[in-house]
Amino acid sequence: DADVTQTPRNRITKTGKRIMLECSQTKGHDRMYWYRQDPGLGLRLIYYSFDVKDINKGEISDGYSVSRQAQAKFSLSLESAIPNQTALYFCATSRGGQNNEQFFGPGTRLTVL
Amino acid sequence: AQSVTQPDIHITVSEGASLELRCNYSYGATPYLFWYVQSPGQGLQLLLKYFSGDTLVQGIKGFEAEFKRSQSSFNLRKPSVHWSDAAGYFCAVGAKGGNNDMRFGAGTRLTVKP
Repeated sequence: DADVTQTPRNRITKTGKRIMLECSQTKGHDRMYWYRQDPGLGLRLIYYSFDVKDINKGEISDGYSVSRQAQAKFSLSLESAIPNQTALYFCATSRGGQNNEQFFGPGTRLTVL
Repeated sequence: AQSVTQPDIHITVSEGASLELRCNYSYGATPYLFWYVQSPGQGLQLLLKYFSGDTLVQGIKGFEAEFKRSQSSFNLRKPSVHWSDAAGYFCAVGAKGGNNDMRFGAGTRLTVKP
């Protein structure tokens, strides 16, 4: 079984709809992250969480919100989706401390029409 | 904040040829450096990382990278490319301590010719 899972893997929605992307991990890591990937821009950090009570904005948090329901679960929400949020979304996890290595889920491809 | 530049958007090499992918970073201290590979339809897999010590780092799948502080570079190399190496390659820089913020380059897409 995969260590970091994301659901759904693909989603098509319409402008203005609320969307939630979910991430679960079995690695026992405290830290979790949401990134979006756009062609030519690499990965950009949306939000990150160091534990259940700690949520932080990343580089591009506008239009997104997150919820850390448990150590193993970190959800990303688009309150009112817009077409320029069409992208590939990745969840990642890492241990705390000085080891910054991040482990990635398979990604969710989101299309906003 | 730290940043990463990958100057080459797309590189094509012949199978069996050598490969070097460039990565330049900007950071005020010694960074953590990473190379990830993304195969089509897949997430990112760590190839190798540099934290400290020996500046030549060996990774999986026959890849290596060299940290050069004077050039702010962390180029990825492979002596002989295989068709299965065709993928997207991302360099990333992380800040030591602090908020664990990692910044990724825009990526280099590698095509391998038979």
